[in-house]
Amino acid sequence: SQQGEEDPQALSIQEGENATMNCSYKTSINNLQWYRQNSGRGLVHLILIRSNEREKHSGRLRVTLDTSKKSSSLLITASRAADTASYFCASSGSARQLTFGSGTQLTVLP
Amino acid sequence: GEEVAQTPKHLVRGEGQKAKLYCAPIKGHSYVFWYQQVLKNEFKFLISFQNENVFDETGMPKERFSAKCLPNSPCSLEIQATKLEDSAVYFCASGPTPQGASTEAFFGQGTRLTVV
Repeated sequence: SQQGEEDPQALSIQEGENATMNCSYKTSINNLQWYRQNSGRGLVHLILIRSNEREKHSGRLRVTLDTSKKSSSLLITASRAADTASYFCASSGSARQLTFGSGTQLTVLP
Repeated sequence: GEEVAQTPKHLVRGEGQKAKLYCAPIKGHSYVFWYQQVLKNEFKFLISFQNENVFDETGMPKERFSAKCLPNSPCSLEIQATKLEDSAVYFCASGPTPQGASTEAFFGQGTRLTVV
């Protein structure tokens, strides 16, 4: 399988805490994207980081990319109950499609 | 439209029946992509289109699955003679560029196919 790996598979934290999710991919990429999926719903695009970027911020989200390690992390600061969802990284490279990670299920407890 | 519209939201088919799923991409997007999500995690790429032309079909099963994007019509994904293992959520996405380029893809809400 070309699917990337994400860890942890599941993460449970209290509201206000930070959540960090990690993603590893297998081939060289043009960019890496993070998506959120609420239960039974579609994917919502969160942030895109290009292969020549190392860090990117968007609101409470911070994404890092280490192309030498073929890994990325997503940090959600000051989490809220509404952040409860599954989070997926998706990489795109020479293949003309997205390769998704296995996802992290985040639960934020009120 | 401003969002990718997928219909129906839910589809139940008996084994051996045909299933047809529809996707209306965002207006102005040239590329349409289909993905299959099984068991709430793994996403599998199926096929992509550039306008009405197949762009990449490397993920498409050789048998029973077909897809079209015709002018002035929603794109469609059809599964002939469905099997239990076809049960999944099928997502459509559209974008202005191929997914290897530096733009995001916009996903629809998915069609949940249940084969019984």
